[in-house]
Parts: sequence; structure tokens; C-alpha cells
Amino acid sequence: GENVEQHPSTLSVQEGDSAVIKCTYSDSASNYFPWYKQELGKGPQLIIDIRSNVGEKKDQRIAVTLNKTAKHFSLHITETQPEDSAVYFCAASHEDDYKLSFGAGTTVTVRA
Amino acid sequence: EAGVAQSPRYKIIEKRQSVAFWCNPISGHATLYWYQQILGQGPKLLIQFQNNGVVDDSQLPKDRFSAERLKGVDSTLKIQPAKLEDSAVYLCASSRGTGELFFGEGSRLTVL
Repeated sequence: GENVEQHPSTLSVQEGDSAVIKCTYSDSASNYFPWYKQELGKGPQLIIDIRSNVGEKKDQRIAVTLNKTAKHFSLHITETQPEDSAVYFCAASHEDDYKLSFGAGTTVTVRA
Repeated sequence: EAGVAQSPRYKIIEKRQSVAFWCNPISGHATLYWYQQILGQGPKLLIQFQNNGVVDDSQLPKDRFSAERLKGVDSTLKIQPAKLEDSAVYLCASSRGTGELFFGEGSRLTVL
């Protein structure tokens, strides 16, 4: 099955700085890569996703890049704000079934 | 649009007891997932339903876990008998099949 590794496990940044989280996956057949944000006591919520026919996708302060050859993808958050503090999960799956395999998560803390 | 509803939010039981969790997905979502999230880890897929049929239950410990989806809408996940290592948050998610999973707030199980 799919194995997703995520780094770093914790990340502390100054407000206004950028945050980068990196993930690798093992199954070359995976072609759907979402990122979820989980706040304390809540379920994960999709913030952005990318499909294998695209190398980069942006949505305001959030961007995701995908390198299918190297089997890795990254989340970039620019101009971080206190409300960006949360646990972020990367995931991978095939578009046939969307059975997501999640990484272990990154706890992001934005210091005011 | 109402979100995914789960109950109970919290449950504490002794090992070898049984417990059941209930999920009501977003109206019209054909696909329903149960994930197990152990503290400090990413969600792990237990079972996926498409309408009232099981798509994948390969990660479900069938000697103690069971799940059903009645009439293709609500779902229940049961654990009997519970073990200490079953302590986790059980997340239910639903999807209309385009990729995005909508998660409930989860049911936190503590097994003593």
C-alpha cells in the first residue's frame, strides 16, 4: 500500500514568515495529493489539493508543488498569521477511489 | 449545508467492553469513510463505503471491529471487545466522489 512520510513533525515560525512542509510518497500510481488542516478538537479540513497533471497550484497565501519523478510534494504558506497555527497533514491516493493515506502530521506554531 | 455529525464525542470504557459510534454524513454524499487517529499520528483508513456497499475494509481488524451503513446513509462502527490500543479518535468522513473528504469532529475513545 501507499506510504506517506512528512517532515518536519513540528515547525515554529515568526508571524509574517513562510512555512514549508514536505512529503514523500511510495506508490507511483498515486495521482491525487491533498493537504488538510486540523485544529484542536476538530476534524481535518481540506485546504488545497493537487493532481498529477499539474506541477504547482496556488490559493492566496497557500501553494503546493508536486514532483512526480521524485515522488514528493510540498506545502508553502506565506505571510503566516496566528490563525495558521494547527496540525497539517499531507495525503496521497489514486483518483479511482480517493482512499487517502495520510502523513504523520506537522504541528505549526506561528509566534506573534 | 450541515456537516458530518458524529456521536458520542467522548467515550471511556474498560478493556474488553464494547462501544459503538454513529455517523450521519452530508446529505447526498455516496461515499463514507471511517478513520482511526491515534494521538500524534495521521488518520488511518479503517473502512470505505460506497452507498451501502463496502469498497475496502482491508485495514479493519475484523476480529473486533465491525461497521455497517444502513440504507446508504448513516453508519455505525462497533468495537467488541475493546483493547487498550484502540484508544484513539474515530473520524467519519463523507464525499461526493470528487476528492474532498468532509470530516466530522470525531469520537474520542479512551480504553482503561
